[in-house]
Parts: sequence; structure tokens; C-alpha cells
Amino acid sequence: AQTVTQSQPEMSVQEAETVTLSCTYDTSENNYYLFWYKQPPSRQMILVIRQEAYKQQNATENRFSVNFQKAAKSFSLKISDSQLGDTAMYFCAFTTGTASKLTFGTGTRLQVTL
Amino acid sequence: DAGITQSPRHKVTETGTPVTLRCHQTENHRYMYWYRQDPGHGLRLIHYSYGVKDTDKGEVSDGYSVSRSKTEDFLLTLESATSSQTSVYFCAISPTGGGHGELFFGEGSRLTVL
Repeated sequence: AQTVTQSQPEMSVQEAETVTLSCTYDTSENNYYLFWYKQPPSRQMILVIRQEAYKQQNATENRFSVNFQKAAKSFSLKISDSQLGDTAMYFCAFTTGTASKLTFGTGTRLQVTL
Repeated sequence: DAGITQSPRHKVTETGTPVTLRCHQTENHRYMYWYRQDPGHGLRLIHYSYGVKDTDKGEVSDGYSVSRSKTEDFLLTLESATSSQTSVYFCAISPTGGGHGELFFGEGSRLTVL
């Protein structure tokens, strides 16, 4: 079975600081895609960043970057210069490509404080 | 805007009654999905569709059925709602046609079964 584990149920960071959210996964496949989604209080699921497993270079989207360690099956999200608008639930997810079925972690609730 | 509309957005019903949630897309994508979100579980796949009248089960399909008679509409039915089906339901589409891509989600439908 394919699983995603997010071991940090809740985290807090001060505005303008950097925070890292952890994610590990388990799959026997060699080719897959990894994602981080953000869910603010509005409940909308928003794609933050994606990473192709065959790419060694870590993905970056503005203040968001990932640390992808394929051998360790680890996929952490780093948020730099945290903003109040980053307050949300963050979900790690991956797909092996079979019909794009995503497997999600249980989420990390991030609170950005003044 | 991924062009996904879910209805109803909120519903309260009683145990044993049938409930149908509707997902409508304007993008003409082949793949559509229904997920449920529960605290401590993240999002879990209920059913998905890979074309008109083509559907398959996800990991939590018991107690749910789906139908897709038109490309743009994907219906989720609870034949006899139970309290364990109280949840937030998300519809999603795959712009990559079921390949190694991300999903885009609707705004969710909150269902409460009393």
C-alpha cells in the first residue's frame, strides 16, 4: 500500500521567519509525482508546489521550496519569509500516475503569528 | 479558476435518507474524482471516473455510488446516509488526463448526517 506520513499535526511560526513541514511517503514505484496543497480557512484546496521524482533538482515557487530526498522517501516543504496569509492546513500528496489518483497525508496545521 | 462547481455546498440530512452531491466542470476533462475529508485522515478517494459511464472505486467506496452520464457532470450518491458519512466532500479534475499530474479541486460540500 502507498502511504504518506505527516508527523507534525500543528506548527507555529512568526511572521517573516522560515518554517519547514515534513513529509515521508512509501511506494515501490520508481516514477511518481509529489505535491504540497494548502487549505486555508476558506476550505479551498490550492496547489502550492509539485515535484517529479525523476528530477533531482528541488522545485521552487517563490517563497516555497521543497527538499526532495528520493532515497529517504522524504519530501519537506520550506516556507521562507512567512506571511499571515500562509496560515492554513498543508497536505502532502503523491501519485504514481495511475489515473492521477492522489494519496494524501493527514495534514499539518500551520499558524503564522505576529 | 479550474471551472468546478459543487452543489449543494452545505446539506443537513437525517440517517437513512438518500443524498446526491453534484460536481459540474466546464473544462471537458476526462478524469473526475470524489474525495472525502475527515480530521486525522486527510483526503481519501471515494470513486473516480475516466469517462462517460466509466467509473472505478477508491479506498473508501463502501456506501457510495457514482454516475457520469455526461462529461461535465459527476454525481456522488449516498443511498442511505449514515452518521459516519458526515464529512466534507471534494470533487476534483485532472487536467493531464489521468497522467502524472496534479488535481484541481472544487470548493467542497459539507454534509451533516443527523
